[in-house]
Amino acid sequence: NAGVTQTPKFRVLKTGQSMTLLCAQDMNHEYMYWYRQDPGMGLRLIHYSVGEGTTAKGEVPDGYNVSRLKKQNFLLGLESAAPSQTSVYFCASATSGSSETQYFGPGTRLLVL
Amino acid sequence: AQSVTQPDIHITVSEGASLELRCNYSYGATPYLFWYVQSPGQGLQLLLKYFSGDTLVQGIKGFEAEFKRSQSSFNLRKPSVHWSDAAEYFCAVGGNSGYALNFGKGTSLLVTP
Repeated sequence: NAGVTQTPKFRVLKTGQSMTLLCAQDMNHEYMYWYRQDPGMGLRLIHYSVGEGTTAKGEVPDGYNVSRLKKQNFLLGLESAAPSQTSVYFCASATSGSSETQYFGPGTRLLVL
Repeated sequence: AQSVTQPDIHITVSEGASLELRCNYSYGATPYLFWYVQSPGQGLQLLLKYFSGDTLVQGIKGFEAEFKRSQSSFNLRKPSVHWSDAAEYFCAVGGNSGYALNFGKGTSLLVTP
């Protein structure tokens, strides 16, 4: 049981490049989340999904897109990376909504030059 | 709207001393309250959670937290801190009707010899 895994662990991009971050969970959770963590800002919700085939915007969705084609996977895409997107990205999953424990992945550190 | 405030950005304690990290929340209904810990370079791990019942909640690693509805607080405590407790601590609030947790900005704990 791997829990929540994230790929890649670290990436450097140039401004304007695109990339996809992959989150996978093996706990059969319905809900999945993408957060970004920046110094002094805590965790901010980018997008979330309440089930396969569904996605919704969180607090800071601009510049990001997501897809949940399979229940166990939640992809976060950056179409045209900007330096402001330099951050640590965390994926999390939960059995249901905000009354349940969220389980976090180890994070992806992204540097946009 | 729900929100979480962690008044202390940084706290320094000596090894063996007691610890209390403060968390205040704003939530219109019965809150679900969580404390997470993040070790350097790691994802977030659940320490404990409160849903209902006994207002003193025990967690992992010797931590406990007390829910005080009258003060809208959920402070985290540990009687004797170990050097390995140095980490970032996040308080979060959720509820039955929400889709995601609302996290505080975190408190960074430094443990001195």
